[in-house]
Amino acid sequence: EVQLVESGGGLVQPGGYLRLSCAASGFSFSDHYMDWVRQAPGKGLEWIGRSRNKANSYATDHGSSVKGRFTISRDDSKNSLYLEMNSLKAEDTAVYYCGRVRRGYDLGSYVDSWGQGTLVTVSS
Amino acid sequence: DIQMTQSPSSLSASVGDRVTITCRSSQTISTYINWYQQKPGKAPNLLIYAASSLQSGVPSRFSGSGSGTDFTLTISSLQPEDFATYYCQQSYSSPRTFGQGTKVEI
Repeated sequence: EVQLVESGGGLVQPGGYLRLSCAASGFSFSDHYMDWVRQAPGKGLEWIGRSRNKANSYATDHGSSVKGRFTISRDDSKNSLYLEMNSLKAEDTAVYYCGRVRRGYDLGSYVDSWGQGTLVTVSS
Repeated sequence: DIQMTQSPSSLSASVGDRVTITCRSSQTISTYINWYQQKPGKAPNLLIYAASSLQSGVPSRFSGSGSGTDFTLTISSLQPEDFATYYCQQSYSSPRTFGQGTKVEI
């Protein structure tokens, strides 16, 4: 069974730093791309970024609102995905989800498994 | 960035109704669109990928269609467990943007 468990959320002051983790199990983590998606309270889903696999040089993409502040990385030896968040702002307050990406020829890509999410609150 | 615009933002429906949600992209995305369902306090759940492919385990009352810039999610006969918020997402290019969501209410 695919399992994704996020951790590391909490209360942080504006301008602060936080590192989220996503522990994966039940599938071959190293073969998969992984996404981060967030949801501010009462708002919609926002795509944060993507981590590609070793075969694609571990390349990453980041969404416009977090580019330059957030960094996605992974450690295949630990089956873990990370999101380092710097210069946090009040508008970064959200539940952060990690998701396993599936891809196929002419199918694009999509997240077929999600973690339960971890809440990040940015406030003084 | 590609903008995804869903309509309506919310709708009221009854059990047994046929429900249609539309999503329009700001530029052509072929069939690279996914649909997710989300219930309060829960993670999203994949319903449809690549515009019309039904995710394993998803009831057949859910279907998707469209290509280019205009897409539709249809629930053929609304069930009590279908009251939720639905999101489209394009996977044509980065950033992989979501629509703003459509809340389906009783």
